[in-house]
Amino acid sequence: NAGVTQTPKFRILKIGQSMTLQCAQDMNHNYMYWYRQDPGMGLKLIYYSVGAGITDKGEVPNGYNVSRSTTEDFPLRLELAAPSQTSVYFCASSRRQGENTEAFFGQGTRLTVV
Amino acid sequence: AQSVTQLGSHVSVSEGALVLLRCNYSSSVPPYLFWYVQYPNQGLQLLLKYTTGATLVKGINGFEAEFKKSETSFHLTKPSAHMSDAAEYFCAVMGSGSARQLTFGSGTQLTVLP
Repeated sequence: NAGVTQTPKFRILKIGQSMTLQCAQDMNHNYMYWYRQDPGMGLKLIYYSVGAGITDKGEVPNGYNVSRSTTEDFPLRLELAAPSQTSVYFCASSRRQGENTEAFFGQGTRLTVV
Repeated sequence: AQSVTQLGSHVSVSEGALVLLRCNYSSSVPPYLFWYVQYPNQGLQLLLKYTTGATLVKGINGFEAEFKKSETSFHLTKPSAHMSDAAEYFCAVMGSGSARQLTFGSGTQLTVLP
């Protein structure tokens, strides 16, 4: 199984440009998440989804949008890129419930806004 | 709401020495606790987790952690450090809501000296 796949791995954007970070999982997980990682700050939750058609804001949603039209895919959209969005972005997924719940992470997308 | 505090953003140990990475949490409900490891330019990999039951949890690569409710701690240990243990380590607590999102600590960079 591929697990959680993120594309692209690296991207440089100019201020004001837009882009979509792709995330796909093949584990039939209902829960999916987008985090950003900044040095010394750990990971902060941007958006999450508990199932197809359902999304909600996390701790740092400003400047981002998401959609969840299928169980497998959870793209993250940046409409007007700003330097503050320079970060490493991680997508994750997990099963619905149970004590064996754990989050599986993609390899990350390193985004630089210049 | 839950939060995680990792004491020490950088820890250095000699090869063969004890590894101790500290994590304290706050949670209004019995927590699910996790330790993740991140190698350079990689995603996060689960080391171990505590959900219910035995408070001493064993994980991969010889790591273990003990859940101490009275101290609200979940410190990570390994008896003998190996060069390959050099990485960043994140402690996380899982939310009690339906979304089960993780709240991460700020991370501890472990350096292993020869």
